[in-house]
Amino acid sequence: DGGITQSPKYLFRKEGQNVTLSCEQNLNHDAMYWYRQDPGQGLRLIYYSQIVNDFQKGDIAEGYSVSREKKESFPLTVTSAQKNPTAFYLCASRQGNTGELFFGEGSRLTVL
Amino acid sequence: AQSVTQLGSHVSVSEGALVLLRCNYSSSVPPYLFWYVQYPNQGLQLLLKYTTGATLVKGINGFEAEFKKSETSFHLTKPSAHMSDAAEYFCAVSAGTGFQKLVFGTGTRLLVSP
Repeated sequence: DGGITQSPKYLFRKEGQNVTLSCEQNLNHDAMYWYRQDPGQGLRLIYYSQIVNDFQKGDIAEGYSVSREKKESFPLTVTSAQKNPTAFYLCASRQGNTGELFFGEGSRLTVL
Repeated sequence: AQSVTQLGSHVSVSEGALVLLRCNYSSSVPPYLFWYVQYPNQGLQLLLKYTTGATLVKGINGFEAEFKKSETSFHLTKPSAHMSDAAEYFCAVSAGTGFQKLVFGTGTRLLVSP
């Protein structure tokens, strides 16, 4: 089945540690996205990539980094510079030019 | 810049009652509009979308929404609520050059009581 796979689903991290969230898609979509979700704040865009080897900052990129070396993969690193990293992270890919996004199941990061 | 406002962080209905979730948008260009549903600890699933053409859009699970340009609204409705409709609902608008991004509202949690 085609879709988006995020891993791990749950992750615990100590303060000061970097952590990388995986996102893989087999939908053959060019564009991929990372959103952060916090209660009552909806989804906020962290980074997005329209094509391999290119990506742009979203609204809340500080403390995060990404890479796009392959069309299928768009990993997100939450660095120690992110002051409040505990959140639910959602990866998505875009179909065509209508803007519709397809989402993964999410990764919940908790900083201890 | 495009933006979305969802009125009411929580909406409660009885099973069998009408569901109405409100969404107003702001866009400097003709918008593409979306409603997504999210169940606990899961990703978002597309309910329906408006791009061009017919302003009344039908989606999955009996939901529909009407694009009203004069009111800048895209409210989501369902004639009869079911217990399984309890979830969080997000309205979104396409933004950016070539509609590269989706901007989401803050979400409305729908509670359905027996």
